[in-house]
Amino acid sequence: DIQMTQSPSFLSASVGDRVTLSCKASQNINKYLAWYQQKLGEAPKLLIYNANSLQTGIPSRFSGSGSGTDFTLTISSLQPEDVATYFCLQHNSWYTFGAGTKLELK
Amino acid sequence: EVQLVETGGGLVQPGRSLKLSCVASGFTFNNYWMSWTRQAPGKGLEWVASITNSGGSTYYPDSVKGRFTISRDNAQNTLYLQMNSLRSEDTATYYCTRADYGGYSDYWGQGVMVTVSS
Repeated sequence: DIQMTQSPSFLSASVGDRVTLSCKASQNINKYLAWYQQKLGEAPKLLIYNANSLQTGIPSRFSGSGSGTDFTLTISSLQPEDVATYFCLQHNSWYTFGAGTKLELK
Repeated sequence: EVQLVETGGGLVQPGRSLKLSCVASGFTFNNYWMSWTRQAPGKGLEWVASITNSGGSTYYPDSVKGRFTISRDNAQNTLYLQMNSLRSEDTATYYCTRADYGGYSDYWGQGVMVTVSS
């Protein structure tokens, strides 16, 4: 089974900061990685698919990069509404989610 | 607008059964694979089951294989999850999701809570 490791588990940042979240796969998953945002009490929302494609309607401050085993989600300028937990998902071999990164405002 | 509305959750005793439903609207249901994903309280996400657009094939992780059954009624735009021999570790919010052609879930329902406890 493919394991997904996200880091850090918790992140505190200020409005306007550039924020980078990491997701590492235990084996090569090519580009088959998605990122989701989950706000408290809500369902996850798709942000990025195929590692670097922005889902329709998602602000351009969100971007994804990487391939193989190492992936990154970047928020170019953190906004208050970005406070949430972020999950990565590999869909190269069935589905495995990372444990999440909880993003808070400093 | 894509909408997925889950029902059927609740409190159930260990070893008993429960069936979840998900009514889909806003897209051509029989064109898409569908899945269930769950999230235990305060925990991460776990894929539970997937079904092809025709319903002809189903897929499960080992954690639920043999206990859970995913099915669909394309005439009624409805997805189901039959859960048997429930355990305390099955306690979670269960989400119905649509699988994009690339395989990832692009739309999620609001979720339904299942609590397994005596």
